Amino acid sequence: EVQLLESGGGLVQPGGSLRLSCAASGFTFSSYAMSWVRQAPGRGLEWVSSITGSGGRTYYADSLKGRFTISRDSSKNTLYLQMNSLRAEDTAVYYCVKDPPGDSPYWYFDLWGRGTLVTVSS
Amino acid sequence: EKVMTQSPATLSVSPGERATLSCRASQSVNTNLAWYQQKPGQAPRLLIYGASTRATGIPARFSGSGSGTEFTLTISSLQSEDFAVYYCQQYNNWPLTFGGGTKVEIK
Repeated sequence: EVQLLESGGGLVQPGGSLRLSCAASGFTFSSYAMSWVRQAPGRGLEWVSSITGSGGRTYYADSLKGRFTISRDSSKNTLYLQMNSLRAEDTAVYYCVKDPPGDSPYWYFDLWGRGTLVTVSS
Repeated sequence: EKVMTQSPATLSVSPGERATLSCRASQSVNTNLAWYQQKPGQAPRLLIYGASTRATGIPARFSGSGSGTEFTLTISSLQSEDFAVYYCQQYNNWPLTFGGGTKVEIK
């Protein structure tokens, strides 16, 4: 079964750090670009970051201002999001998402994980 | 940044009726536009990509149209399972951006 399973969310104090993981299964992980999308409570969807299949190119939302780092480990079929200097406005469900099949990254998302909740609060 | 504006914010429709959702881009995104459906407590699901191509397993009652800056998602005859929030997303340029969503509720 094709699946994405996020983990690593939780409660963290402002200024703290957290690393999210996304375990992929059922497809050739290294062949697909991957991204993170977040959704604050009761709000809409916000793109966070993306990475190509090789990991050679990464992209970030301007609002993150260098606080987040996306990476991947194809030997473990896992996507990561390292989040530093967390703020209350980073509170959200973070979804791991997959690019669709094809020759190039497309940057829309045909598979979503269930999400992991990150709460930034003192 | 390309701003995506969806309208209306809420659409009240009776089962069996047609629903028409709009998504407008602040600048042209060509046909690099996707639509997603999100039900309460669930992750979004891809409905449409390339502005008009249905994703695998999506019923034919869902259709997308448009190019450039104006896009439409049409649900031809609303079923009970279609009441949800719908988002558009442009993938023409960085940063990737989503619209604010349209909630389709039962009238």
